[in-house]
Amino acid sequence: DTAVSQTPKYLVTQMGNDKSIKCEQNLGHDTMYWYKQDSKKFLKIMFSYNNKELIINETVPNRFSPKSPDKAHLNLHINSLELGDSAVYFCASSPAGGRGQPQHFGDGTRLSIL
Amino acid sequence: GESVGLHLPTLSVQEGDNSIINCAYSNSASDYFIWYKQESGKGPQFIIDIRSNMDKRQGQRVTVLLNKTVKHLSLQIAATQPGDSAVYFCAENLGYGGATNKLIFGTGTLLAVQP
Repeated sequence: DTAVSQTPKYLVTQMGNDKSIKCEQNLGHDTMYWYKQDSKKFLKIMFSYNNKELIINETVPNRFSPKSPDKAHLNLHINSLELGDSAVYFCASSPAGGRGQPQHFGDGTRLSIL
Repeated sequence: GESVGLHLPTLSVQEGDNSIINCAYSNSASDYFIWYKQESGKGPQFIIDIRSNMDKRQGQRVTVLLNKTVKHLSLQIAATQPGDSAVYFCAENLGYGGATNKLIFGTGTLLAVQP
């Protein structure tokens, strides 16, 4: 009964490959997010979707393509992986309206590029 | 703006003492603030929040203080326990036209509780 769940938890792959990370939330929230946390623990938003519609795109390279098949799912596909993509990626969700509401995070996907 | 340090600021406290973690936020238009706790291998976990029309809010063993004049936020943890050891982040909510919200996270502070 995990609220925000991501798969896989660990992802090790080679430079140049394409990979996907999946996220699902069972909180009934309308808004979902992807964050990237670097090796210094700095956490930064990448994307936000509200009811399957892209709301925030924080100048992320277009190798990153989020896809939201429904409001409970927000997947992240990454093409042509680079060394700098190594990080922990967190999915989060919040209720509709968002403002003044905390975001709930998954436990992250640790992506390591060889 | 956002800051990235070479290492996390660390606060080391004895079990049973009170802890105070400080945070400076950047945008005077931010109207909602959240403290998160991140344990090793886990995602950020919501602790407590505060809106800009308040200057203090209390939870169970935690208190958040907001000083809008100097754009400063603090988290006080009473009777700190070993289970409180984690990285603590403050986050400011810039909003984003109502449909969603954009959280800007601080650098994070590592709280180490000594038994």
